[in-house]
Amino acid sequence: NAGVTQTPKFQVLKTGQSMTLQCAQDMNHEYMSWYRQDPGMGLRLIHYSVGAGITDQGEVPNGYNVSRSTTEDFPLRLLSAAPSQTSVYFCASSGQRYNEQFFGPGTRLTVL
Amino acid sequence: GQQVMQIPQYQHVQEGEDFTTYCNSSTTLSNIQWYKQRPGGHPVFLIQLVKSGEVKKQKRLTFQFGEAKKNSSLHITATQTTDVGTYFCAAMSAGGTSYGKLTFGQGTILTVHP
Repeated sequence: NAGVTQTPKFQVLKTGQSMTLQCAQDMNHEYMSWYRQDPGMGLRLIHYSVGAGITDQGEVPNGYNVSRSTTEDFPLRLLSAAPSQTSVYFCASSGQRYNEQFFGPGTRLTVL
Repeated sequence: GQQVMQIPQYQHVQEGEDFTTYCNSSTTLSNIQWYKQRPGGHPVFLIQLVKSGEVKKQKRLTFQFGEAKKNSSLHITATQTTDVGTYFCAAMSAGGTSYGKLTFGQGTILTVHP
């Protein structure tokens, strides 16, 4: 199993550009989440999904969209990138509610 | 929303010294998880605590969940250079929170000097 994969690993955007961060898992996990990590602030939940077709907002959802058309994939879309979205983004999945989360390797995003 | 405070933010120790990080919540927690993130890496699950007063050990690591289920600690005995990284607690509220709303502490960055 590849586990949780994320692409790209690095990305530089200009303010106002849009892009999609890809996340996929091959463990048949129902639950998937997106977090951003900023220095001194830990991991903050952006959006999450409890199954295909179901998504909900986390702590910091503004400026991001998600969809969950399949169990495997959970892309994160930046609609109009802003410098405040410069961060490291982690996707995570979990097989059951309350279970351990498996994190992907992360995407380091810089918005100029 | 729920807040989880984790202290200290930084800890520098000499190899062989002990290390403890603490996680505190103002609300009762249903469970708490601990993760380790190596420099440049991603968080990796260490353990989950569910029961009031629970204590679990993994080799040199000891995890505790408070009796009131509002705090937790991770203690490392005789640190080694391989322990370097950031340790996060992640808590889920007992108040009907749906999945995904794990709240992470700010993390404790551990540096071990050989």
